[in-house]
Amino acid sequence: DSGVTQTPKHLITATGQRVTLRCSPRSGDLSVYWYQQSLDQGLQFLIQYYNGEERAKGNILERFSAQQFPDLHSELNLSSLELGDSALYFCASSESDRRTDTQYFGPGTRLTVL
Amino acid sequence: EDQVTQSPEALRLQEGESSSLNCSYTVSGLRGLFWYRQDPGKGPEFLFTLYSAGEEKEKERLKATLTKKESFLHITAPKPEDSATYLCAVQSSSNTGKLIFGQGTTLQVKP
Repeated sequence: DSGVTQTPKHLITATGQRVTLRCSPRSGDLSVYWYQQSLDQGLQFLIQYYNGEERAKGNILERFSAQQFPDLHSELNLSSLELGDSALYFCASSESDRRTDTQYFGPGTRLTVL
Repeated sequence: EDQVTQSPEALRLQEGESSSLNCSYTVSGLRGLFWYRQDPGKGPEFLFTLYSAGEEKEKERLKATLTKKESFLHITAPKPEDSATYLCAVQSSSNTGKLIFGQGTTLQVKP
């Protein structure tokens, strides 16, 4: 158990809908990262937050957005969902925003778009 | 462009048969190389971090090594419970904290 929690574990929804994925980092960690894992793309970085502020963006679609709240939990919002958005979404956390900090991953949310 | 390539894609071993997994990388200044283990449907589990060429780290039957162009994950006398996908990832000096992952090596150890 990494100490990172994610809810829900599974999410099934229809195209065009909007969903919110939630992540609580390990106790004391200030950085949160979101990754998407699909069969053909592998693990892809989406976005990083540090202590409530956006720090880095990867190839995150405009339909996707995230935020980190004062209690440090983070939410990833996915809207206008398409079939291709079906994937595992992982949250990771690290102690700070130093590049060499180890990132600890949560158990993931499996999103299925029908 | 920063890139990570892992080989082989899949590896089947008999219990006790030692082998190595390869991770080749191209980055503009390596900040750190990370190894993770991932079981099906689960999140990646941290194994090792390597920072500079020549560095080695060990944990039970696993040993990770690093050169200027690649890293190896050596598995000595594997057991069936070592079956998993092993992921290699790098952080470069041209990026922030994001990890760039390889596609992984899926290891199956048969009793």
